[in-house]
Order: sequence, then C-alpha cells, then structure tokens
Amino acid sequence: SQELEQSPQSLIVQEGKNLTINCTSSKTLYGLYWYKQKYGEGLIFLMMLQKGGEEKSHEKITAKLDEKKQQSSLHITASQPSHAGIYLCGADRRDDKIIFGKGTRLHILP
Amino acid sequence: DAGITQSPRHKVTETGTPVTLRCHQTENHRYMYWYRQDPGHGLRLIHYSYGVKDTDKGEVSDGYSVSRSKTEDFLLTLESATSSQTSVYFCAISAGQVKNYEQYFGPGTRLTVT
Repeated sequence: SQELEQSPQSLIVQEGKNLTINCTSSKTLYGLYWYKQKYGEGLIFLMMLQKGGEEKSHEKITAKLDEKKQQSSLHITASQPSHAGIYLCGADRRDDKIIFGKGTRLHILP
Repeated sequence: DAGITQSPRHKVTETGTPVTLRCHQTENHRYMYWYRQDPGHGLRLIHYSYGVKDTDKGEVSDGYSVSRSKTEDFLLTLESATSSQTSVYFCAISAGQVKNYEQYFGPGTRLTVT
C-alpha cells in the first residue's frame, strides 16, 4: 500500500474558487514537503513543515501539518490559472530519503 | 533553480543498450538523488548519494547503478536498458548540508527505450 495518500487524485475548479488538497501518511511524519510540478517540467519546492500544528503560507497557498493525524493539507485561496499543475507531497522518513505521494492534478477553469 | 542541470534532456535508445544520465550541480551540495516519475506510481527514489563515492539504494534500484566521483556530478547508468525503464528521470539535491532538507529538482530527462 502507498505510504502517502493524496486526495483528491484530480481536481477541477473554477478560477477564483478556494480548494484543498490532502496528504495522509500511514507512518509517523517527521517532516512534510509540498511541491508543485507544471506539466512536462521539474518540481518546484513550495514549503516544508516540520512541527505538529505548523502552518506556512506562500502567496495564496497555505499548508498545515497535523502531526497527530499524520496528515497535511494544502489550501489555495482564490485560485488562478497559474496554480494549475500537479501538487506532490513528500514525507521525511529520517533515513536519508523522502517518500512522495502520487500527486494531485489541479485544473483551473477560466 | 539551485544550479542543477541534467543531460541529456531527451533520449531514445534501444532495448539492451547501456545508457548514462548525468546530473550536474554548481553549489557543492552534499546530498544528491535520482528519481523516476511514472503515471500511476508518482515519484520514486532510485539511488541517492551522501558524498563523493558514498551512495545507497532507493526503492526501485534494480537495473540501475550510480557513481559520484566528484561532488558536482552524479551519474545514473542503465547497464542494459529495458522498456520498463522508459520514464522521466529527475535529479535532486538537498539544500544545505543536512539530509532531507529542502530538495530541489533538475528539469528532468525523458528516456524512451524501444
């Protein structure tokens, strides 16, 4: 089974609407990373969360880490076409490796 | 962009031929990683390096080998390419000298094995 489950797998929203992407781990989270990937391109680092309850924001994107629930959420406010892409979460396993989820494809309708 | 380049960016090769992909970084980062990305599987770690000549396996290392003779270069070799190795390959580094810190990715290499 997948260690990191992302939901939803795909999301279509109207421009201007808010949306949330979730990342749930089957194992203890020591750190959680969010990345964005534009179609056909490399991954862009968005933010890293290390402590339970931690919340970070970058422009209109906010991510939270719920350590007890082994879950993180990524929230986009007032979505724009530039937010379209694939969002991936990665988990720090404290063994020199990061495990990634399969990603959430986000489409923004104008 | 953390100064990461990958070469080649695209390659088509035949089954059974050896292939080497190169990752080059300009900022003296200690940790480097090779991932492959496939539909339905997401991003999976192949091998990683924690210093010159220090490498270790990831979750999908079978059929791949790596070498790191210089800090700036991390090579991924497919000794005898198979169609199952058709994928997009990404190199990454960890910022700073701390493991599992922020990872920054190269632009990717699209490999097709026919």
